[in-house]
Amino acid sequence: EIVLTQSPGTLSLSPGERATLSCRASQTVSGNYLAWYQQKPGQAPRLLISGASSRATGIPDRFSGSGSGTDFTLTIHSLAPEDFAVYYCQQNGRLVTFGGGTNVEIK
Amino acid sequence: QMQLQESGPGLVKPWETLSLTCTVSGGSITAYYWSWVRQSAGKGLEWLGRTFSSGTTLYNPSLKSRLTMSVDTSKKQISLKMTSLTAADTAVYYCAGDSGGGVIIYPFDLWGQGTLVTVSA
Repeated sequence: EIVLTQSPGTLSLSPGERATLSCRASQTVSGNYLAWYQQKPGQAPRLLISGASSRATGIPDRFSGSGSGTDFTLTIHSLAPEDFAVYYCQQNGRLVTFGGGTNVEIK
Repeated sequence: QMQLQESGPGLVKPWETLSLTCTVSGGSITAYYWSWVRQSAGKGLEWLGRTFSSGTTLYNPSLKSRLTMSVDTSKKQISLKMTSLTAADTAVYYCAGDSGGGVIIYPFDLWGQGTLVTVSA
């Protein structure tokens, strides 16, 4: 099983700041099949990024994904008020596993 | 716009079998592969398995012996059965869809709202 470790666990930032979230895999993620999701309280996760760097339909361009192999990053270039949420990475190259999440909270 | 709605008992006794249903509306159930994902406070998000209208299934190896998933195209429903429940199975259960083909599991771009299942006597 590929284990995904997300860091930091919590990120305290102000609106307008840049958020940088990390996801590290225990093995190479084949095909860069790495996705990012956003989840708000009481809601299902929402797909943001697939294939490590491709934004899903309707996702603002302030969200970007990068990385390959075992190290991946989600960047939110200028935090909007609606971006404060929990973010999960997911690998879908070998079955499916999720990271433990990063909580982006208002400072 | 395709929508998913999970349904099932909110409370299940230990060692009983859980049966959940996900009803698809606004689109073709045969256009997607369907997964079940659960979320608990203790283990975060956990993928349970994936099924398709052809009958193809793929299960999380750690839960495979306890799971059965299937698609009923006439009812536009996806079902999940999980046996021998314990308190550790208490979670919100989501159905989710991906448009991948065959072996490759695509990211989940469709999600239901989730249903809470509590395992308790």
